[in-house]
Amino acid sequence: DQQVKQNSPSLSVQEGRISILNCDYTNSMFDYFLWYKKYPAEGPTFLISISSIKDKNEDGRFTVFLNKSAKHLSLHIVPSQPGDSAVYFCASSGGGADGLTFGKGTHLIIQP
Amino acid sequence: GAVVSQHPSWVICKSGTSVKIECRSLDFQATTMFWYRQFPKQSLMLMATSNEGSKATYEQGVEKDKFLINHASLTLSTLTVTSAHPEDSSFYICSASARGLGIQYFGAGTRLSVL
Repeated sequence: DQQVKQNSPSLSVQEGRISILNCDYTNSMFDYFLWYKKYPAEGPTFLISISSIKDKNEDGRFTVFLNKSAKHLSLHIVPSQPGDSAVYFCASSGGGADGLTFGKGTHLIIQP
Repeated sequence: GAVVSQHPSWVICKSGTSVKIECRSLDFQATTMFWYRQFPKQSLMLMATSNEGSKATYEQGVEKDKFLINHASLTLSTLTVTSAHPEDSSFYICSASARGLGIQYFGAGTRLSVL
């Protein structure tokens, strides 16, 4: 049973527009959420995180929103740039030294 | 961000041989290191968690005698795939976190191909 779900395998967005990637989780014990970006044959690169005590965290072009009641989080990238094209993984944990539970990823394609 | 180095990046071996993969945190002390595996078009799956100086904790379904993990120092963890078989062919990725921080920094991964 998947505890972290990314229901969109791929997403195509025009350069300059906003990219919105979604993620749902089922485990109520998760209290720390992260987004990673990954290129083929490379390890994931950390982008941004949010703890369950917050509902929004912003870092430059990246903003993560957390809706605890809906067990839903989203990553907003604005404006989208060609270099943002990659697979984005949502991950969750109980915090601290816990391992991460990953979603299956969303392949973001930024079109010129 | 913090740098995690993983070596080798690609290894091809014969069935029945053992392969060792190294994971190093280059600019911070990693109290905890993690090992993940990713099959094609699948997500990363946690295999085990290791804390420096203690035995690794394996996830359900991961054979501890097949995947030996050593975390001898705060900057180095190794994963040894013993008696590798073709079904062990996969992409293995390590990550490291510093004390008290939930962020994990990942290595570049190791592509293992068992013939």
